[in-house]
Amino acid sequence: AQSVAQPEDQVNVAEGNPLTVKCTYSVSGNPYLFWYVQYPNRGLQFLLKYITGDNLVKGSYGFEAEFNKSQTSFHLKKPSALVSDSALYFCAVRGRVGANNLFFGTGTRLTVIP
Amino acid sequence: DTEVTQTPKHLVMGMTNKKSLKCEQHMGHRAMYWYKQKAKKPPELMFVYSYEKLSINESVPSRFSPECPNSSLLNLHLHALQPEDSALYLCASSQVVPGTDRGSGQPQHFGDGTRLSIL
Repeated sequence: AQSVAQPEDQVNVAEGNPLTVKCTYSVSGNPYLFWYVQYPNRGLQFLLKYITGDNLVKGSYGFEAEFNKSQTSFHLKKPSALVSDSALYFCAVRGRVGANNLFFGTGTRLTVIP
Repeated sequence: DTEVTQTPKHLVMGMTNKKSLKCEQHMGHRAMYWYKQKAKKPPELMFVYSYEKLSINESVPSRFSPECPNSSLLNLHLHALQPEDSALYLCASSQVVPGTDRGSGQPQHFGDGTRLSIL
């Protein structure tokens, strides 16, 4: 079964510092991995995805993620955090091969402290 | 502004009422989704439509009835709901690239949801 795990419910980081939000995956077949962000009372916004190619994926709003096959990880990173980055972040994996559905991790709440 | 529009934004209904949630997108996406999200939890997939046909039903109770009348619209008909059905209901859409596995790698675009409260 396809699944992702986000080991941290909460991450706090000072404004201007680098941030990392962790995600590990367990899949059969090639992993299709995604990061989404959710602001209060809003839907999810797509940040970036990994399907194939370079292990370092660049996405929206200055975020990037590193795919690591040996560690089965897909951590989200940003070199310099902004207060406006404070939100709920979800890692997700594609469901069955050829299917369009996503399975989401439990989410990590990021708080950037001014 | 999101490109997927959901109405209404809020809905309060009794357990005997019948209501419908609506979702609309004009991005030409041929896959549409309904998710249910409880507070502080991840979205849980309910239904997937591909080319206006139901392709995935994640064992959702029959009191939830989806409908895809055309490629731009997705409805969720509600009847005899229970208090535990109170949640944020999210609609999403994505491109479909037929005949390729990469089609399932297209990102999903979400609406802002309908917050449903069952009295």
